[in-house]
Amino acid sequence: QVQLQESGPGLVKPSETLSLTCTVSGGSISSYYWSWIRQPAGKGLEWIGRIYTSGSTNYNPSLKSRVTMSVDTSKNQFSLKLSSVTAADTAVYYCARVSAVAGLNAFDIWGQGTMVTVSS
Amino acid sequence: EIVLTQSPATLSLSPGERATLSCRASQSVSSYLAWYQQKPGQAPRLLIYDVSNRATGIPARFSGSGSGTDFTLTISSLEPEDFAVYYCQQRSNWPTFGQGTKLEIK
Repeated sequence: QVQLQESGPGLVKPSETLSLTCTVSGGSISSYYWSWIRQPAGKGLEWIGRIYTSGSTNYNPSLKSRVTMSVDTSKNQFSLKLSSVTAADTAVYYCARVSAVAGLNAFDIWGQGTMVTVSS
Repeated sequence: EIVLTQSPATLSLSPGERATLSCRASQSVSSYLAWYQQKPGQAPRLLIYDVSNRATGIPARFSGSGSGTDFTLTISSLEPEDFAVYYCQQRSNWPTFGQGTKLEIK
């Protein structure tokens, strides 16, 4: 059974870069699209972007200038970097698998989420 | 950006009752509409994809319908574990989510 686990600092200073990693266990990272999604406390969900195991990426236009995603198939991991963070980037960050069964239209496996706070 | 508007914001019902949740898109999303359930402190769980297909392990009491811009999630007979927040999601340009409907116990 495929499981996802986010890891990274829980506190980031304003103007610095948020860095998170998602480790895929119980299955291969290959041949799937993988996404990052975030949720501010008490609010809705925002898609950040996705990466294929070839390294091809698509980003949310509203965040595109600050987002970089990468993949390391040898470690079964993919990563998120979000630069120049502000308090508005404080949220729970989820990694998720884009469903192949659902024609890439939905997210069928999610990590438990990791809280990231932007504060000095 | 395609905006998804969910209604009502809060739905108060009792176990055993039927729940009907709505999601309206600002423009057509074809059949690329999914529904998720989220409980406090947990990640969202995929319920329905492509309007009406149940995800693996989802009970038959959950069903989805609609087309174009208007979609509905129906829970035929509420179980205690169904009280949660529900989100719709589309992926026509890039994925966006509705603001959620909170299903609470009456």
